[in-house]
Amino acid sequence: DVKVTQSSRYLVKRTGEKVFLECVQDMDHENMFWYRQDPGLGLRLIYFSYDVKMKEKGDIPEGYSVSREKKERFSLILESASTNQTSMYLCASSGGGAGNTIYFGEGSWLTVV
Amino acid sequence: TQLLEQSPQFLSIQEGENLTVYCNSSSVFSSLQWYRQEPGEGPVLLVTVVTGGEVKKLKRLTFQFGDARKDSSLHITAAQPGDTGLYLCAGENFGNEKLTFGTGTRLTIIP
Repeated sequence: DVKVTQSSRYLVKRTGEKVFLECVQDMDHENMFWYRQDPGLGLRLIYFSYDVKMKEKGDIPEGYSVSREKKERFSLILESASTNQTSMYLCASSGGGAGNTIYFGEGSWLTVV
Repeated sequence: TQLLEQSPQFLSIQEGENLTVYCNSSSVFSSLQWYRQEPGEGPVLLVTVVTGGEVKKLKRLTFQFGDARKDSSLHITAAQPGDTGLYLCAGENFGNEKLTFGTGTRLTIIP
């Protein structure tokens, strides 16, 4: 079975803290993505990566950064968490090519207080 | 930023009824995907439609891609409680593999 694993399912952090969300995929996929999901807004792309050490901004990158040092791992970093970053964060990966299936992790619920 | 609007946002119907969910945009997409997401889980791909006017069937679910590749619909026949979930459409952009997701339709089937 294909697997995208997000290390933390539920986190509560204080405003101003640095937050790391880790994601690992076991499918040798080139592409990895970070989305946030909010009610009524669907999924919005934060950052994506097509290769190791490569990253591109998505639609809402402000307040976030990413790291991809190894092909299987894609980390999302909140340098200084704020309450408006309280959300569900979804990591995903795909093998590339048009119409390719994207596989999602189970999500990480982050609450910033 | 491209937008995909889904309607209705919420839908609650009795088991056995039929329903249609719509996904509309002013942008053209190279393909369109439909996902279902259950509580506490990530979205799972149901289908990808690629050709304008294409119709795909998955048991009681029928997916259609508009002729102009700007819109899509999902029709469920004889809905069952197991169909309950959040349905998301997502358009793939030409030239890259980024997906633009719709706003979602939360479907509840009442036994």
